[in-house]
Amino acid sequence: KQEVTQIPAALSVPEGENLVLNCSFTDSAIYNLQWFRQDPGKGLTSLLLIQSSQREQTSGRLNASLDKSSGRSTLYIAASQPGDSATYLCAVMPWSNYQLIWGAGTKLIIKP
Amino acid sequence: DVKVTQSSRYLVKRTGEKVFLECVQDMDHENMFWYRQDPGLGLRLIYFSYDVKMKEKGDIPEGYSVSREKKERFSLILESASTNQTSMYLCASSLSNSDIRRYEQYFGPGTRLTVT
Repeated sequence: KQEVTQIPAALSVPEGENLVLNCSFTDSAIYNLQWFRQDPGKGLTSLLLIQSSQREQTSGRLNASLDKSSGRSTLYIAASQPGDSATYLCAVMPWSNYQLIWGAGTKLIIKP
Repeated sequence: DVKVTQSSRYLVKRTGEKVFLECVQDMDHENMFWYRQDPGLGLRLIYFSYDVKMKEKGDIPEGYSVSREKKERFSLILESASTNQTSMYLCASSLSNSDIRRYEQYFGPGTRLTVT
């Protein structure tokens, strides 16, 4: 059974730092992987989607990588800003069905 | 930009009431989803729909039903609300019914439902 883990559960860093959020999954048979952010009490915003054939995707200061063989994805945030403070969730779409499997999220706080 | 809207941000209902949560998307997406999000349990899929009048059960359909009469609108119905249905409800949509897995899901702002 596919399981998705995000470590750490919470992270606090000073503004301006580059940082990496981690997502690991137990079954490499994935169709794609998606990163989201969620602000407190709000819905999810899609950040990046990586298909299984891709190694990375970039959007602005965000870069997501995918290594299926090791069961890992990372979300790299460059030059962090206080506005990046949110919970970041990763979700894996298995090959075998159509339901996303979700990680529990990493709560990120960027200190001014 | 994809826009997914939900009818209410906050809702308070009494036990036993019939509750309707509405979701509308404006990007002509075929697929629509209802999730609930609870602390410690993460997001769980309740139902999804891949076309008008078509629906599939997710992980936790008990106590819920759905309706999709028009492509842009997907309704979640709590037939008789109970306190354990107090939760954040999130609607999402994605493109294409040829392969539901392929495209990213776009989420609405959520409805925080409290059942007393």
